Amino acid sequence: GAVVSQHPSRVICKSGTSVKIECRSLDFQATTMFWYRQFPKQSLMLMATSNEGSKATYEQGVEKDKFLINHASLTLSTLTVTSAHPEDSSFYICSARRQGVWGNQPQHFGDGTRLSIL
Amino acid sequence: AQSVTQLDSHVSVSEGTPVLLRCNYSSSYSPSLFWYVQHPNKGLQLLLKYTSAATLVKGINGFEAEFKKSETSFHLTKPSAHMSDAAEYFCVVSGETGNQFYFGTGTSLTVIP
Repeated sequence: GAVVSQHPSRVICKSGTSVKIECRSLDFQATTMFWYRQFPKQSLMLMATSNEGSKATYEQGVEKDKFLINHASLTLSTLTVTSAHPEDSSFYICSARRQGVWGNQPQHFGDGTRLSIL
Repeated sequence: AQSVTQLDSHVSVSEGTPVLLRCNYSSSYSPSLFWYVQHPNKGLQLLLKYTSAATLVKGINGFEAEFKKSETSFHLTKPSAHMSDAAEYFCVVSGETGNQFYFGTGTSLTVIP
């Protein structure tokens, strides 16, 4: 159980394109989903926390107009990188926590999306 | 405040020998602690978690970790390394509400044939 699907796994596109990444919890409902960015050989950096039915909470330094997050249902959150530029190239990973459970529950991670902007 | 320190950025072991990946944490409350593994170009897979029950936690793939409050440590061990264990390992502590995850900087494990 606790499977999180992230799609697409890899995207290559031209500068100026907007890219949407989907994160789905396949076998559980997730009130909260998280979006991370990972640079090569580094740990994960939290970008934003996505709550179903409300606005996402962005970490300091993350442009909310650049990285649009929508969490329209208990099983789906999307991250849209608007007008992407080469510096947005990175590995993006989502995670989800089970609905209604706090404290000691783990986050379950998707397989990540490798975004390359030419 | 919560933080996690992974003491080794790289660990190399020979196949069949024990693995020890070290993790120390600081927390102002009783934390939940996790170990995740990440293979290249993949997401993170949960290996095991400590949630204030038994201090010795057994996980998947033969890994286990012991929570030592007096030493504020949560080291990951495995008796015998396998080639497939080569990956990046992250120690994580959760925030008080559970919605914050504090990651260590990761330990890259190399297994030598």
